[in-house]
Amino acid sequence: DAGITQSPRHKVTETGTPVTLRCHQTENHRYMYWYRQDPGHGLRLIHYSYGVKDTDKGEVSDGYSVSRSKTEDFLLTLESATSSQTSVYFCAISESPLESQYFGPGTRLTVT
Amino acid sequence: DAKTTQPNSMESNEEEPVHLPCNHSTISGTDYIHWYRQLPSQGPEYVIHGLTSNVNNRMASLAIAEDRKSSTLILHRATLRDAAVYYCIPPPRSNTGNQFYFGTGTSLTVIP
Repeated sequence: DAGITQSPRHKVTETGTPVTLRCHQTENHRYMYWYRQDPGHGLRLIHYSYGVKDTDKGEVSDGYSVSRSKTEDFLLTLESATSSQTSVYFCAISESPLESQYFGPGTRLTVT
Repeated sequence: DAKTTQPNSMESNEEEPVHLPCNHSTISGTDYIHWYRQLPSQGPEYVIHGLTSNVNNRMASLAIAEDRKSSTLILHRATLRDAAVYYCIPPPRSNTGNQFYFGTGTSLTVIP
């Protein structure tokens, strides 16, 4: 299995609080992605990174920011969490945008 | 944009072959089709990808129509562990930020 970990794996937080999710890889892949998954919507891309300090928006980026200061770490931040951001968040990595992606185990976030 | 169409759900008996269809009538001649699957409570995992001819690996086979407008993922002998959501993924496009679009996939139920 590709070396991808996500932390925390579960989190419950209150509306209005900041939340940061971490994705860590040991594969030295250039591309990293954050998705959210909700019932009836499948996986939707939030942000992705194509290198250190290089990021771009995905399909559902509003309310989220990301940072990548090292190849191995990609952080997803919810500046002020809302109940609509309750979801399962997956991180993925790939060597290029046309190559297969490898996914982490997911983080279940509940915003009350 | 290239898009795919898959049935929402399918059923199969255990130890029988399963053919999961996907229509992708808008892909171009150089586009690979990727398949992923997502087991319950896990992140998606890569299954197979192909361009023109049929492809095989330890997990599955991929049969691509001669006109490339459709493909079929073949599980030769379904097991209970194959119960998952299967995604047929069109190729990323530069106008979509080189993003894979997962959609909602086909939910496969395997009947013992």
